[in-house]
Amino acid sequence: KAGVTQTPRYLIKTRGQQVTLSCSPISGHRSVSWYQQTPGQGLQFLFEYFSETQRNKGNFPGRFSGRQFSNSRSEMNVSTLELGDSALYLCASSFGQPLYEQYFGPGTRLTVT
Amino acid sequence: AQKITQTQPGMFVQEKEAVTLDCTYDTSDQSYGLFWYKQPSSGEMIFLIYQGSYDEQNATEGRYSLNFQKARKSANLVISASQLGDSAMYFCAMRGSGYSGGGADGLTFGKGTHLIIQP
Repeated sequence: KAGVTQTPRYLIKTRGQQVTLSCSPISGHRSVSWYQQTPGQGLQFLFEYFSETQRNKGNFPGRFSGRQFSNSRSEMNVSTLELGDSALYLCASSFGQPLYEQYFGPGTRLTVT
Repeated sequence: AQKITQTQPGMFVQEKEAVTLDCTYDTSDQSYGLFWYKQPSSGEMIFLIYQGSYDEQNATEGRYSLNFQKARKSANLVISASQLGDSAMYFCAMRGSGYSGGGADGLTFGKGTHLIIQP
């Protein structure tokens, strides 16, 4: 069974631009969560989508948004990029119950210059 | 709110020795799950082991076991017979069940322990 895939793997953007990251979950998984990892803040939860609905949201500004499609694929968008948005963005998929394990993709490394 | 504390920023261990990575947690949820993940230098988070708060037995997965002490709010990961390929960052994480009515946020992670296995 294929794992979680994320595209692109690497991205370089300029301050003020916007970016869209994509995540395809494991087949059969209906929940997709997004996390941001930085050296200073560690791993932080961004949001979770289940059956095309945002189920939970972390403490991030409105510049961070996401959506989920009917095939469970998810995208996250960051508008008006700031230098501090440089991070590894990890996507995780699961069957959907909160206490089920989440399986992570390889991540997208975003650099904002 | 949930909090995970990993007090060992880095550890050096000789190959074939057992290693214990510490994790303590704090939560007001009655039902919750504890997770351990491994992150090699490539960046991908690899799921290792899960322990539910109502599980009476400690979880085991191959060379990994979770030493769960609920009263002490600790969930230490034990790796038996360490191998060179075990060198990586290790993260302890938790999540509430959401049954208390507050909803289940995403995983809350600790800062991690950088484990280096020496030959």
